[in-house]
Amino acid sequence: EAEVAQSPRYKITEKSQAVAFWCDPISGHATLYWYRQILGQGPELLVQFQDESVVDDSQLPKDRFSAERLKGVDSTLKIQPAELGDSAMYLCASRLGPAPGELFFGEGSRLTVL
Amino acid sequence: GEDVEQSLFLSVREGDSSVINCTYTDSSSTYLYWYKQEPGAGLQLLTYIFSNMDMKQDQRLTVLLNKKDKHLSLRIADTQTGDSAIYFCAESISRGYQKVTFGIGTKLQVIP
Repeated sequence: EAEVAQSPRYKITEKSQAVAFWCDPISGHATLYWYRQILGQGPELLVQFQDESVVDDSQLPKDRFSAERLKGVDSTLKIQPAELGDSAMYLCASRLGPAPGELFFGEGSRLTVL
Repeated sequence: GEDVEQSLFLSVREGDSSVINCTYTDSSSTYLYWYKQEPGAGLQLLTYIFSNMDMKQDQRLTVLLNKKDKHLSLRIADTQTGDSAIYFCAESISRGYQKVTFGIGTKLQVIP
């Protein structure tokens, strides 16, 4: 069964270090989302791609976060430098196209910043 | 603006029905979703409803949508211990692209 792949599953880092997360969406899915989920809260959209273009990064802290999807397939989310408040689950999701429909989520990457 | 609100916690006895409620603010919602999240896992779609519908039934799940009041509910019949999880309401809003906003989640505890 097709699924959204994310890595690493767990990451522990010290503050001020750089960290990167990778997501491979379901094949053929044009829309890709990165969400951040702080413990006890709902997912918050960080960035949304349509193919290789960013369509919404209004909630992405651009001074330290960056995201790319160079060939419109897999995507990388980077944090540099990491801060204590970045500890969270980073969820990637994909959808077939821009029209409404199901979002398929990966298992997430749990980040702990010490 | 986009805002989705849910109660934080619900406790029911095994075999009873559970009703999880959600309110949203954006009248341009196209789809409304219910997702389930088990500890340490990603989100799994349970069901969804088009904004022009008022009810959808899928086995033990019934979704009711009151578009006038912007109120969505999820009813789980014959709740089982395996239903214990966090349930997220979400709305898909047209902004030239489809933006999906989630609520804070309702933790369902099923007591054996």
